[in-house]
Amino acid sequence: AQTVTQSQPEMSVQEAETVTLSCTYDTSESDYYLFWYKQPPSRQMILVIRQEAYKQQNATENRFSVNFQKAAKSFSLKISDSQLGDAAMYFCAYRSAWRQLTFGSGTQLTVLP
Amino acid sequence: GAGVSQTPSNKVTEKGKYVELRCDPISGHTALYWYRQSLGQGPEFLIYFQGTGAADDSGLPNDRFFAVRPEGSVSTLKIQRTERGDSAVYLCASSLSEGNTEAFFGQGTRLTVV
Repeated sequence: AQTVTQSQPEMSVQEAETVTLSCTYDTSESDYYLFWYKQPPSRQMILVIRQEAYKQQNATENRFSVNFQKAAKSFSLKISDSQLGDAAMYFCAYRSAWRQLTFGSGTQLTVLP
Repeated sequence: GAGVSQTPSNKVTEKGKYVELRCDPISGHTALYWYRQSLGQGPEFLIYFQGTGAADDSGLPNDRFFAVRPEGSVSTLKIQRTERGDSAVYLCASSLSEGNTEAFFGQGTRLTVV
């Protein structure tokens, strides 16, 4: 079975600074997708960024980028120029083709003004 | 609709009662997922529908939990003889098709069993 591990229950960052959230996963499959979701207090999961495992190039979405290390099974999220609105719970998730999402336990991000 | 809609937003019920949680997916989305999120944890998979049929129900914890999607759109998660341990946020997500990678989530139903 696939597992996703987020070893940082809480992180904090100063506004306008950069922060990196860590995620590792375990799988024996070769075709899969990785995601970072943001969950504010409203509870709705919002997709931040996704990475296809077959792509070597790291995904980037505006201030959000990932460092995907396939051999190490590592998938970290970097948030640049942090804003107060970035404060939320962040979940790393894994999905193999045709299957459901498997989530990590989450990292609570606090942005300090 | 514009997004995935879940009702009710919050539900408080007494131990032993029966509850139904509703999910209205994005129009045209054939794949629908239910997840359960306990306090301080990530969501855990319960069941997945492709169209009207349950393609994977391996996450349902026991036979008190059941879900249907009779017309391939709205889905209802049903919990019989509720227990305090069933208290959690129940999230629903939909995606355009089985192979489509992006799932859109609703805001969940917070179930509290007292």
